[in-house]
Amino acid sequence: GDSVTQMEGPVTLSEEAFLTINCTYTATGYPSLFWYVQYPGEGLQLLLKATKADDKGSNKGFEATYRKETTSFHLEKGSVQVSDSAVYFCALSDPMDTGRRALTFGSGTRLQVQP
Amino acid sequence: DGGITQSPKYLFRKEGQNVTLSCEQNLNHDAMYWYRQDPGQGLRLIYYSQIVNDFQKGDIAEGYSVSREKKESFPLTVTSAQKNPTAFYLCASSRGRDLRTEAFFGQGTRLTVV
Repeated sequence: GDSVTQMEGPVTLSEEAFLTINCTYTATGYPSLFWYVQYPGEGLQLLLKATKADDKGSNKGFEATYRKETTSFHLEKGSVQVSDSAVYFCALSDPMDTGRRALTFGSGTRLQVQP
Repeated sequence: DGGITQSPKYLFRKEGQNVTLSCEQNLNHDAMYWYRQDPGQGLRLIYYSQIVNDFQKGDIAEGYSVSREKKESFPLTVTSAQKNPTAFYLCASSRGRDLRTEAFFGQGTRLTVV
């Protein structure tokens, strides 16, 4: 079945450092890819998405590019802030998987940004 | 404002008791989902529903039950058969037919068995 693999955390960075969180996927078809963010004690919020190969999703300074050749969707930000401290989830939805009409999530990566 | 409301935010249950978690949405979404979150394990799909009066088991449906009598509501019952129910439960909804659209999440219910 489909799966998403994320780098393990926590990732600890100083403010203004460059961020990369790796995400790779396995899917039978051509999935849509998503990054969600979860702040402590809250639900998930969509951060960005990409629906086809070579698409770049971007929001709030975060970016991720859908790379079909490497089955990856790595999250990047050029300069992190303390307020970016949260858990980040990579997810996919696969229109070819008629037996599962729902998102599949990675295990999440906790980001801690120190002042 | 449109959104998803989960209640209660915190819930305590004695062993052997059933408990129902509420999830209501006013986004006019066809599809609704329940996920369970445990530390370090990401989100695991419990049940989902693409349309009223229909629902499907997810990856970890044992010990849970759902109903979808109204488009707006998708309650989850954690039964006494669920061996380890202490977790954070998240409800979500989406437009449904097009999986390229994102899911919207509620604020979650933290269930603790005492």
